[in-house]
Amino acid sequence: AQKVTQAQTEISVVEKEDVTLDCVYETRDTTYYLFWYKQPPSGELVFLIRRNSFDEQNEISGRYSWNFQKSTSSFNFTITASQVVDSAVYFCALSEADSGGYQKVTFGTGTKLQVIP
Amino acid sequence: EPEVTQTPSHQVTQMGQEVILRCVPISNHLYFYWYRQILGQKVEFLVSFYNNEISEKSEIFDDQFSVERPDGSNFTLKIRSTKLEDSAMYFCASSPRDRVDDEQFFGPGTRLTVL
Repeated sequence: AQKVTQAQTEISVVEKEDVTLDCVYETRDTTYYLFWYKQPPSGELVFLIRRNSFDEQNEISGRYSWNFQKSTSSFNFTITASQVVDSAVYFCALSEADSGGYQKVTFGTGTKLQVIP
Repeated sequence: EPEVTQTPSHQVTQMGQEVILRCVPISNHLYFYWYRQILGQKVEFLVSFYNNEISEKSEIFDDQFSVERPDGSNFTLKIRSTKLEDSAMYFCASSPRDRVDDEQFFGPGTRLTVL
């Protein structure tokens, strides 16, 4: 079973549309962190947000917002009024402790977002 | 703002050759990681390193791979005899501690192409 599932492989939207990228995770830990990263065509990983398992408050940063719901094990990411520069692959990731107590980060398979002008 | 750096940005090599990918973690960080991303696929954990030894490694990290911190600043990933399937983007990351609440800071990646 996937620990981090991003069911949407590719999404295309027209510029200025809102778009939500889904992320569902699986963990037995009570303490864990969730991340979103953006990977533009140039290839680097750009950190967007980190959320801890005890903070279910939704977060808004400019056009970006995140909806964390422990009840459904989801951490969805919404881009409002999308722009062409938002075109990228977006990865959701889960940080938890492995059996030895060390941090283990697992990435989802990514969602490729294409914003059409 | 301090950042993780990686060199080279792109490495092309012939199958069977050895390659060394270099990373300079953030200076006060203690834990170091390598990840791999095959083109079009997800980012996968390879290995974590602390106090001059491997703390965790994935099934991908076989005997062809090794890591080293040869001096106080560099952290290297060596692939002894490259295979075509080693072609990927390799990301280095570092964190102050290895606790689950510590963010890992990623470098820009090295794109390895094996011909």
